[in-house]
Amino acid sequence: GAGVSQSPSNKVTEKGKDVELRCDPISGHTALYWYRQRLGQGLEFLIYFQGNSAPDKSGLPSDRFSAERTGESVSTLTIQRTQQEDSAVYLCASSLGLGGDEKFFGPGTRLTVL
Amino acid sequence: DAKTTQPNSMESNEEEPVHLPCNHSTISGTDYIHWYRQLPSQGPEYVIHGLTSNVNNRMASLAIAEDRKSSTLILHRATLRDAAVYYCILRLCSGGGADGLTFGKGTHLIIQP
Repeated sequence: GAGVSQSPSNKVTEKGKDVELRCDPISGHTALYWYRQRLGQGLEFLIYFQGNSAPDKSGLPSDRFSAERTGESVSTLTIQRTQQEDSAVYLCASSLGLGGDEKFFGPGTRLTVL
Repeated sequence: DAKTTQPNSMESNEEEPVHLPCNHSTISGTDYIHWYRQLPSQGPEYVIHGLTSNVNNRMASLAIAEDRKSSTLILHRATLRDAAVYYCILRLCSGGGADGLTFGKGTHLIIQP
């Protein structure tokens, strides 16, 4: 079946512009995560959605970052007034939301801020 | 989340076994040990996870120390396609609440033909 998909695969933007990144999780997965991975670094947790509960935003680096999720489907990560330090690969993952379960990652969106 | 310590890189030859170590001395009784790997230019993929007993699946084996303060991911016969960054992660067993799955820098596994 289809895995986690993300769009766009690549995004180049100018400093100060807003960008929206999209994630389509696996159908039936109640948990959805966003991560950021800078070049040569590990994954940095950003935000977590679980069903209809309030999202855990503890990993968002600043108020320029926000994310939404409609029910248990698509999620959008928005970065306002982008900075060069925002350049990274943004990865989305989904899971069934059960304890200890496997996460399935999308291919990521590579964001470059000029 | 409890932290893990892994070597930055390891090198092995094709068709030989590979043992990737991970130290997690501050692990709690409710932490699962997860391993993911990330191939070049791809998102991470799940490899294996366990709690106390050793685990085997089609990809690898996971050997967990009796005190659970360390574990070893075992690739029985490495291929060139196994070259990746391998992440050892601790994760609360409960699915409720924040479950960020904190990734460190992992071990960069290099496979020589």
